[in-house]
Amino acid sequence: QSVLTQPPSVSAAPGQKVTISCSGSSSNIGNNYVSWYQQLPGTAPKLLIYENNKRPSGIPDRFSGSKSGTSATLGITGLQTGDEADYYCGTWDSSLSAHVVFGGGTKLTVL
Amino acid sequence: QVQLVQSGAEVKKPGASVKVSCKASGYTFTSYDINWVRQATGQGLEWMGWMNPNSGNTGYAQKFQGRVTMTRNTSISTAYMELSSLRSEDTAVYYCARGRGSGNRYYMDVWGKGTTVTVSS
Repeated sequence: QSVLTQPPSVSAAPGQKVTISCSGSSSNIGNNYVSWYQQLPGTAPKLLIYENNKRPSGIPDRFSGSKSGTSATLGITGLQTGDEADYYCGTWDSSLSAHVVFGGGTKLTVL
Repeated sequence: QVQLVQSGAEVKKPGASVKVSCKASGYTFTSYDINWVRQATGQGLEWMGWMNPNSGNTGYAQKFQGRVTMTRNTSISTAYMELSSLRSEDTAVYYCARGRGSGNRYYMDVWGKGTTVTVSS
């Protein structure tokens, strides 16, 4: 099981809004910045959000990120069928052996 | 444009080693870390480690300590990941990704397309 906990799946209709949660602990999310990655079927992951809530150039403002305590949330508004993908949260973990950790991933279905 | 181009698919027997390459272009190779992340079929992302191409310093996930080696050739802007003592559970797609940020702001902004490694007798 992954260090960061995400729901296995979420779904919503086109045009609606969805949120994906990512829960961790003080050694990871609680004291470090969170990034989010989108993985479309059969492709490599793509950076969606970094430093909790910043979007790289080219990422539409339909995608947003937030963090509170030891949890983070990815929000997607105005859902499109092209948003169907797996979404992963990631962060640095400052425990004994410092390393990067990811959530288990959330499959988004746009009904 | 900034890109990471990985080597082609590999098929290996249990107990063998595999070496995957990742060629960087469009930016100064020695200015950013290279990370390696793998993904078994139908599974999530698993971070294997990072390398600083400038110094050659590395940091490996505990799970892979002793089995993984990350190196680079700065003259051709290429990073390498070698995994030894392969077993069937190592069958996965291996990605290289550029690391950004420092300290607790770390993230990966550019990813290679992945290299499929199959371990089978």
